[in-house]
Amino acid sequence: ILNVEQSPQSLHVQEGDSTNFTCSFPSSNFYALHWYRWETAKSPEALFVMTLNGDEKKKGRISATLNTKEGYSYLYIKGSQPEDSATYLCAFITRGGKLIFGQGTELSVKP
Amino acid sequence: DVKVTQSSRYLVKRTGEKVFLECVQDMDHENMFWYRQDPGLGLRLIYFSYDVKMKEKGDIPEGYSVSREKKERFSLILESASTNQTSMYLCASSLRETEAFFGQGTRLTVV
Repeated sequence: ILNVEQSPQSLHVQEGDSTNFTCSFPSSNFYALHWYRWETAKSPEALFVMTLNGDEKKKGRISATLNTKEGYSYLYIKGSQPEDSATYLCAFITRGGKLIFGQGTELSVKP
Repeated sequence: DVKVTQSSRYLVKRTGEKVFLECVQDMDHENMFWYRQDPGLGLRLIYFSYDVKMKEKGDIPEGYSVSREKKERFSLILESASTNQTSMYLCASSLRETEAFFGQGTRLTVV
């Protein structure tokens, strides 16, 4: 079983705080890493698809980095807003496209 | 817009019943997935299909089977439903190693 670990499991921050989460994955047989955002009562939606060591992706206030040699990725949110409250999932992708998810980080941003 | 549609949002079944969860995607994706989501455990892969009639077990296949007779449809079958299969079930599809698109989820209760 491939082990994909996310930390922390949950996070409670105030509006305006910056925050970051970690995703750890096997460094061997790496093909791609995805980050998803899952809001309550909605379906998970992709934030980033990352494939190369050293990749950095950005979408508004959210950014992600990737280190395939040591097997980790960070997701950063700058100036958290209440609408950022969601569960953030990372997924390790094998060659062929099988997606193995971590257990997620549940973020709650209080106004 | 990519659409992944699951046949039911909510389902209540009796212990021992045979249960079918259906998923249809309209984007000609090769890959389709069935996950279950339980609190604190993230998305756990039940089965993965990479082509018609081709399937691969995920991390928790026990008690489940799948069927993919047509590219657009992926069915999850609970041969004899049990109370420990009460959960949220999510279907997803993807084009090889690119981002996955999810259905709206089926909340199954087995009584």
